[in-house]
Amino acid sequence: EADIYQTPRYLVIGTGKKITLECSQTMGHDKMYWYQQDPGMELHLIHYSYGVNSTEKGDLSSESTVSRIRTEHFPLTLESARPSHTSQYLCASSRSSYNEQFFGPGTRLTVL
Amino acid sequence: GIQVEQSPPDLILQEGANSTLRCNFSDSVNNLQWFHQNPWGQLINLFYIPSGTKQNGRLSATTVATERYSLLYISSSQTTDSGVYFCAVEQWGGSNYKLTFGKGTLLTVNP
Repeated sequence: EADIYQTPRYLVIGTGKKITLECSQTMGHDKMYWYQQDPGMELHLIHYSYGVNSTEKGDLSSESTVSRIRTEHFPLTLESARPSHTSQYLCASSRSSYNEQFFGPGTRLTVL
Repeated sequence: GIQVEQSPPDLILQEGANSTLRCNFSDSVNNLQWFHQNPWGQLINLFYIPSGTKQNGRLSATTVATERYSLLYISSSQTTDSGVYFCAVEQWGGSNYKLTFGKGTLLTVNP
């Protein structure tokens, strides 16, 4: 079944830890995105990718980094997590032909 | 960049009531989507509607691109309709395929 998967769904970690949030899609989409959302607030784009080996920063400054080595995989990494990184992170993907975006279930990150 | 305003910010209904949510945007758009964010945080696609009218069951949406607004209609609301409804747009002529989100409408449907 075509879908978008994110792991972990929930993560509680201590300050200074390195973490990677996983996102995979079986939709066959070229474009992938990471959004950050604080509780009750709108989504902000932090990273996007047009395809393999393509990554761009979004509108909201973020200390995270991303990679796109495989079409279906778009992980997000925080080298040293801080309490200010506490948020929900949502991954999305879309086709090249038109930009209807589909979202994964999200990862709720809490940094203590 | 493009501005997206949603109204009302909050809406409380009794089960069975109808409602209209509005999305205004400040520039021409390539793409407009409506989403429902459920209590678990997942965004569910409702409509991809850069122009025209679409219907899906009790929900329908209309986008009047020339006047820069979109409306989401919910009829015979149910408690499961509760959550946040987001409008998101991609600015016309943009090459980055980026969606800009509104702040959302928090809908509460009481039994």
